[in-house]
Amino acid sequence: DGGITQSPKYLFRKEGQNVTLSCEQNLNHDAMYWYRQDPGQGLRLIYYSQIVNDFQKGDIAEGYSVSREKKESFPLTVTSAQKNPTAFYLCASDIQGGQPQHFGDGTRLSIL
Amino acid sequence: EDQVTQSPEALRLQEGESSSLNCSYTVSGLRGLFWYRQDPGKGPEFLFTLYSAGEEKEKERLKATLTKKESFLHITAPKPEDSATYLCAVQAFTGGGNKLTFGTGTQLKVEL
Repeated sequence: DGGITQSPKYLFRKEGQNVTLSCEQNLNHDAMYWYRQDPGQGLRLIYYSQIVNDFQKGDIAEGYSVSREKKESFPLTVTSAQKNPTAFYLCASDIQGGQPQHFGDGTRLSIL
Repeated sequence: EDQVTQSPEALRLQEGESSSLNCSYTVSGLRGLFWYRQDPGKGPEFLFTLYSAGEEKEKERLKATLTKKESFLHITAPKPEDSATYLCAVQAFTGGGNKLTFGTGTQLKVEL
């Protein structure tokens, strides 16, 4: 079955540490997205990529970085510059504008 | 700036008690309005896309409708398995790639 796989499911970050969240899709979608979900807030866009080797900042990109070296993969790094990283991180993909985005099952990041 | 407001924040229904969830939006050129269902600890699951005022979509006990200012998700004779958070999102034609702007969701609890 096609879908989006996020790993790990749970992740803990020590102060000053960078951590990387994995997102892999086998839907053959061109566009991929990273969202952050906090209690009581809607999902907010961190970064998106519409094509391999290209990506754009979303609404809350500060303290995060991404790469898109393969169509299937869009890893997100939460850097030490992100002072409030505790959240539920969701990866999504779609085939083109106007079509629904499909989501993975998320990674929950907490601070040690 | 695109905005989405969902109401109520939480809704408790008895099994079989029909009701509606509201999604009010402002967007500069609606490309699509999307409804998702999210279970605790999981990613959003796509339900419906609506593109123009007057459009309706149905799936089992759920029916989504769209006007120029709002969308409704009607739940007919709900069952306990319909308990989840329902998210509404809009996509605009202009700017931001295929960015979705999400509401904060309606948390639905259906009791026996």
